[in-house]
Amino acid sequence: NAGVTQTPKFRILKIGQSMTLQCTQDMNHNYMYWYRQDPGMGLKLIYYSVGAGITDKGEVPNGYNVSRSTTEDFPLRLELAAPSQTSVYFCASSFSGGGSTDTQYFGPGTRLTVL
Amino acid sequence: QKEVEQDPGPLSVPEGAIVSLNCTYSNSAFQYFMWYRQYSRKGPELLMYTYSSGNKEDGRFTAQVDKSSKYISLFIRDSQPSDSATYLCAFRGYNKLIFGAGTRLAVHP
Repeated sequence: NAGVTQTPKFRILKIGQSMTLQCTQDMNHNYMYWYRQDPGMGLKLIYYSVGAGITDKGEVPNGYNVSRSTTEDFPLRLELAAPSQTSVYFCASSFSGGGSTDTQYFGPGTRLTVL
Repeated sequence: QKEVEQDPGPLSVPEGAIVSLNCTYSNSAFQYFMWYRQYSRKGPELLMYTYSSGNKEDGRFTAQVDKSSKYISLFIRDSQPSDSATYLCAFRGYNKLIFGAGTRLAVHP
């Protein structure tokens, strides 16, 4: 049972390049989330999904896109990388979206630098 | 006013000290209160959760909620170097969690 896995662990992008951050969970969770974490700023929600085919914007969605074609996978796409997107990105999943059963399980993160 | 306020620290204490970590919040609709622990270069992991005012104890950790003051705390007794991490408070919103900025804690031998 791997939990939530993310690839790559590290990446350096040039301004204007594109990339996809991969996230996979093997816990059969319905809900999946993408956060970014900047130093001293806590976790900011980028996008989330309540099930395959359903996604919604979080607090900071600009510059990102997501899709959810399967229960297991929730990739995050950066189309035109900007220095402001330099951050650590965490993917998380949970069984439901509320209540005491809603523990979010986090992946190990992807450290992205845009130069 | 920010929805969640958490002192970012850093907080440095000697081994064995009692540590108090705190968050305030402004949204009275929050019903579930959580503390996540994040070790350096790792993802956060759930440490404790509670959904009512009062105290909840788990080993050396005690979570305290005061809904009337919109204030939550995490107490760590007999702190250990292995407790050195960033602690994030979190609150349940609609389909999502709202996190505090995190407090960095260092426990030195």
